[in-house]
Amino acid sequence: KAGVTQTPRYLIKTRGQQVTLSCSPISGHRSVSWYQQTPGQGLQFLFEYFSETQRNKGNFPGRFSGRQFSNSRSEMNVSTLELGDSALYLCASSEGTNTEAFFGQGTRLTVV
Amino acid sequence: GIQVEQSPPDLILQEGANSTLRCNFSDSVNNLQWFHQNPWGQLINLFYIPSGTKQNGRLSATTVATERYSLLYISSSQTTDSGVYFCAVVVSQGNLIFGKGTKLSVKP
Repeated sequence: KAGVTQTPRYLIKTRGQQVTLSCSPISGHRSVSWYQQTPGQGLQFLFEYFSETQRNKGNFPGRFSGRQFSNSRSEMNVSTLELGDSALYLCASSEGTNTEAFFGQGTRLTVV
Repeated sequence: GIQVEQSPPDLILQEGANSTLRCNFSDSVNNLQWFHQNPWGQLINLFYIPSGTKQNGRLSATTVATERYSLLYISSSQTTDSGVYFCAVVVSQGNLIFGKGTKLSVKP
């Protein structure tokens, strides 16, 4: 089975722009979660989607949003980028609630 | 919310040494995972261990859920074991809460 695939791997954006990141989960997995990793805050939960519905959301501003498609692929969007949004964004897929999560290679976003 | 604390924050070993990493959590959890973050940032699954003991080669893990801690043992360490080890617990909503990690450096 193919693992979790995130695209793009690296991204450089300017303050004020918006960005869309993509995540393709492991085949058969219906849950996709997104996490942000920064040196200061560590790994923080952004949101989780299951069968195209957002089930859970972390403590992030509304500039961060996401969606999931019928094939379980997910995208997250960050609008009006700020310098502090520079981070490694990791996507995880799992079969469902309380099952083992598997992570993609991440997208490293730099905002200049 | 639940707190996840990992210790030690940094660990330096000589190749061949053994080590124990600890993860304490402040409340009941549904599950627990250990990860190794490689130099490129990917989180590699080590163990999915809500309770009990599991072994995989030179690595083993024990979770004592009633006492709210988990241990990761690395035996006969190799330079390729270097990196950051994360413990993450699964809370009732289903998402992972991560500790701050233990940065392991194995010297040849």
